[in-house]
Amino acid sequence: DSGVTQTPKHLITATGQRVTLRCSPRSGDLSVYWYQQSLDQGLQFLIQYYNGEERAKGNILERFSAQQFPDLHSELNLSSLELGDSALYFCASSVVVGSSYNEQFFGPGTRLTVL
Amino acid sequence: GDSVTQMEGPVTLSEEAFLTINCTYTATGYPSLFWYVQYPGEGLQLLLKATKADDKGSNKGFEATYRKETTSFHLEKGSVQVSDSAVYFCALSAALDSGGSNYKLTFGKGTLLTVNP
Repeated sequence: DSGVTQTPKHLITATGQRVTLRCSPRSGDLSVYWYQQSLDQGLQFLIQYYNGEERAKGNILERFSAQQFPDLHSELNLSSLELGDSALYFCASSVVVGSSYNEQFFGPGTRLTVL
Repeated sequence: GDSVTQMEGPVTLSEEAFLTINCTYTATGYPSLFWYVQYPGEGLQLLLKATKADDKGSNKGFEATYRKETTSFHLEKGSVQVSDSAVYFCALSAALDSGGSNYKLTFGKGTLLTVNP
């Protein structure tokens, strides 16, 4: 158990809908990262937050947004969902930023299925 | 941009066989290198890491050496067990900006390992 929790575990929805994925980082970790894992694209970095502020952006679509709250939990909002958004979404957290050997601890993931 | 290429498999071995999963990378600067493992139905776990050239990361019988001259970080284990069956990801951590204050992980596609008794 990494100490990172994600809810829900599974989500099934229809095209055009909006969903929210939730992540609670390990106790003491200030930084949260979101990743998307799909069969064709593999694991891709989406976005990073540090202590409530957006820190870095990866391959995140404009239809997706995220935020980190004062209690450090984070939410990833996916809107106008398309079939191709079906994937596993992982959250990771870390204590340190600004270091290349900074270990990230991953949650169990949310499996999103768009029908 | 940064990239990681690893043999995609799947790899099927018998218990006690020798394992090698190849990983090569392309990056500017001096990345740190990682191997993560994903067991069925779970998130990724860090298996081992190396932060500079010639470093050897090791854990649970797995080893990988950071080879700058060949830009490689191959994963090896001398004798695999059924419990090692999982997906293995090679990854690098490199700066997102010249200031070096933000880093991101770039992953390979993953290699599915199945170990049969």
